[in-house]
Amino acid sequence: DIQMAQSPSTLSASIGDRVTITCRASQNIGSWLAWYQQKPGKAPKLLIYMTSTLESGVPSRFSGSGSGTEFTLTVTSLQPDDFATYYCQQFNTYSFGQGTKVELK
Amino acid sequence: EVQLVESGGVVVQPGGSLRLSCAASGFTFDDHSIHWVRQAPGKGLEWVSIISWDGSKTYYADSVRGRFTISRDNSENSLYLQMNLLRIEDTACYYCAREGSEYALDSWGQGTLVTVSS
Repeated sequence: DIQMAQSPSTLSASIGDRVTITCRASQNIGSWLAWYQQKPGKAPKLLIYMTSTLESGVPSRFSGSGSGTEFTLTVTSLQPDDFATYYCQQFNTYSFGQGTKVELK
Repeated sequence: EVQLVESGGVVVQPGGSLRLSCAASGFTFDDHSIHWVRQAPGKGLEWVSIISWDGSKTYYADSVRGRFTISRDNSENSLYLQMNLLRIEDTACYYCAREGSEYALDSWGQGTLVTVSS
């Protein structure tokens, strides 16, 4: 099974900050990685698929990069609506990372 | 508008059984593989199972293999999860989610809560 190690588990940031979240796969997953945002009490929402392609309607301050075993999600200028928990998911055997909670510093 | 609506979540005793349903609308159901994903209270997302567009292929997480069965009825635009031999650790909100053409889960239901407790 492919394990996804996501870091950090919690990230404290301010409005306007650039934030980066990392996911490491236990084996090569090519570019088959997606990122989701989840707010309390809500279903997850797809942000990015195939490592770097932005889902329709997602603000351009979100971006994804990486390949193979190391991937990043970057938010260039954090907005109030971005405080949430973020998950990566690999699409070989579908496992998720443990999540990163982005909170207000 | 794409809609996925889960139902069937209740309180059940350990060792019991339950069937969850997911009703789909707003898209061509049999064009898509569908997944179940769960989330224990206060915890992260855990992938549970996938069924291919025609139901011919199914895969399960190790934690549920042999106890859970995923199925679909394309004539009814419905997905199911039969859950047997339930354990306390199966307590979670269960989401159904559509796999888009881009290898990601692009639409999710609102979830249904399963509580396994004596």
